[in-house]
Amino acid sequence: SAVISQKPSRDICQRGTSLTIQCQVDSQVTMMFWYRQQPGQSLTLIATANQGSEATYESGFVIDKFPISRPNLTFSTLTVSNMSPEDSSIYLCSVSGTSPSLAYNEQFFGPGTRLTVL
Amino acid sequence: QKEVEQDPGPLSVPEGAIVSLNCTYSNSAFQYFMWYRQYSRKGPELLMYTYSSGNKEDGRFTAQVDKSSKYISLFIRDSQPSDSATYLCAMSAGEKLTFGTGTRLTIIP
Repeated sequence: SAVISQKPSRDICQRGTSLTIQCQVDSQVTMMFWYRQQPGQSLTLIATANQGSEATYESGFVIDKFPISRPNLTFSTLTVSNMSPEDSSIYLCSVSGTSPSLAYNEQFFGPGTRLTVL
Repeated sequence: QKEVEQDPGPLSVPEGAIVSLNCTYSNSAFQYFMWYRQYSRKGPELLMYTYSSGNKEDGRFTAQVDKSSKYISLFIRDSQPSDSATYLCAMSAGEKLTFGTGTRLTIIP
């Protein structure tokens, strides 16, 4: 599997500001995803980050609030815009298509970014 | 009704016991079934990946899928304190995963 890193690992932000989270993979991958994990809840898919084109957002998530970039096959960013306390959560990136020997949809996760909005 | 239901626990068992973790689902299109382990303040780690029905064994871990009942299980034999974590089931019909809420497991030495 690939080695996935996220920056920052945690942050405390003020209401109304924005934070950009970076996801770096040590090898080229086919798919990259962004999830949110709120306390006591399951992982919720925010969007699929598409290389060279606009991200595909899930119901309830919009580009103005969560703009995503994916300039190449190893890197993606998620921005949480105009933050409110309700955005306090763990944000995780995941990847699939890491190796021809693995199933195309086996997903591997980064360590997460723990965000607190005051 | 959620697409994937998972008992959140918490579940506490003594060291050496057999642990059974379960999920039910409603979407008959799901073909791929996964179990993730998540330690506190870490990202989920893929434990088991199964396609369609049947059993898969990997060391002390066995994953079972019963598509007729829309029910999946993860068994942990000879449980160890290091198995204490939250276990999440996930399933998919394609590229996107749908997760259960996770079961928090504690193995008591």
